[in-house]
Amino acid sequence: SQKIEQNSEALNIQEGKTATLTCNYTNYSPAYLQWYRQDPGRGPVFLLLIRENEKEKRKERLKVTFDTTLKQSLFHITASQPADSATYLCALDFTGGGNKLTFGTGTQLKVEL
Amino acid sequence: NAGVTQTPKFRVLKTGQSMTLLCAQDMNHEYMYWYRQDPGMGLRLIHYSVGEGTTAKGEVPDGYNVSRLKKQNFLLGLESAAPSQTSVYFCASSYSRGGGTEAFFGQGTRLTVV
Repeated sequence: SQKIEQNSEALNIQEGKTATLTCNYTNYSPAYLQWYRQDPGRGPVFLLLIRENEKEKRKERLKVTFDTTLKQSLFHITASQPADSATYLCALDFTGGGNKLTFGTGTQLKVEL
Repeated sequence: NAGVTQTPKFRVLKTGQSMTLLCAQDMNHEYMYWYRQDPGMGLRLIHYSVGEGTTAKGEVPDGYNVSRLKKQNFLLGLESAAPSQTSVYFCASSYSRGGGTEAFFGQGTRLTVV
């Protein structure tokens, strides 16, 4: 079956460091992959989308890589700040174009002063 | 800009009661979705709609019904609530086309069934 795996353990890092979160998927070759941020008690908020023919995408302090051979995406936050503390979700459309997203369980990031 | 609005935000039901969750979007999106989020399970798709008058089952549809009579609204119904339906429910919407478009989420409805 198709699965998305994200590290369930919280990631604690010091302010100013780069946070790296991992998203692994199995049994599928998605055309694109998305990353969302979710704060406690709120709905997910879209951050970045990367397509299979894009190895890397950047937006301000955020960077996403997409390795279709390893079936893995890495999500980086450079110069992290306490305000970056949240849960980060990756999502794929396993149906191949119907825009029906399947989400990973998310990784909680805590940025400490 | 309202985006996606869910009503109500909180609700407590007794087992066997029924209720309807309302989702409204003002972005003229074709696609709308209902997810539930449980600890350790992530977001799971209940039902979705690819346009007005159409609905389809997602990953966990049992015990739920939906309707999309108007393009901007997507209703999720629980006919006979069960404790297993205690969860946080999120509605989302997105554009229909493209090689992947972002989903916009509502603020969630926290439902407790006792």
